[in-house]
Amino acid sequence: QVQLQESGPGLVKPSETLSLTCTVSGGSISSYYWSWIRQPPGKGLEWIGYIYYSGSTNYNPSLKSRVTISVDTSKNQFSLKLSSVTAADTAVYYCARGYFDWSPTQSSYYYYMDVWGKGTTVTVSS
Amino acid sequence: NFMLTQPHSVSESPGKTVTISCTRSSGSIASNYVQWYQQRPGSAPTTVIYEDNQRPSGVPDRFSGSIDSSSNSASLTISGLKTEDEADYYCQSYDSSISFGGGTKLTVL
Repeated sequence: QVQLQESGPGLVKPSETLSLTCTVSGGSISSYYWSWIRQPPGKGLEWIGYIYYSGSTNYNPSLKSRVTISVDTSKNQFSLKLSSVTAADTAVYYCARGYFDWSPTQSSYYYYMDVWGKGTTVTVSS
Repeated sequence: NFMLTQPHSVSESPGKTVTISCTRSSGSIASNYVQWYQQRPGSAPTTVIYEDNQRPSGVPDRFSGSIDSSSNSASLTISGLKTEDEADYYCQSYDSSISFGGGTKLTVL
């Protein structure tokens, strides 16, 4: 059974870059999509972006200028970098496996998360 | 892109049935599949419904999903409520970007 584990610093200074890694175990990172989602304290879920194992990405337009997601298939890991952080970036950060496919009945693509990591708390403070 | 709007909270008694709505602001709700996630306090979300009405293995059949084009909404219905169903529930859809609803806190009392 595939499991995901987030890792990285729990405290980041304002204006610096937040860096997190998600390690995939119990399965291969290949042939799947991989997502980052965050949840500020007491608030709802916010999608950050996703990456295909081949390296193609899609980012939330509101964060796109500051986000980079990359994948390392040799390590079965994918990573998140968020630059120029402020207190508003304080949140629990989740990584998740994504399922992406075409629906012939709707003539549209769809995407959802089917396996989630436990999440890691990142605080932005000096 | 579109927004998904959910009620902030709902409450119901054990054994009863509750329905949580998710209304799409623009475009047809039927155009893109809707998913539902359950998030118990202090835990990560888990998927309870995908592709409008499909249940992952391990999710009890007390959970069901549907869409209603007339109200442009999706719904999550939980029957035979148990105290363990008390959680936040989020709807989600995709149309070149991933959108989440704001979440609904379900209280079972």
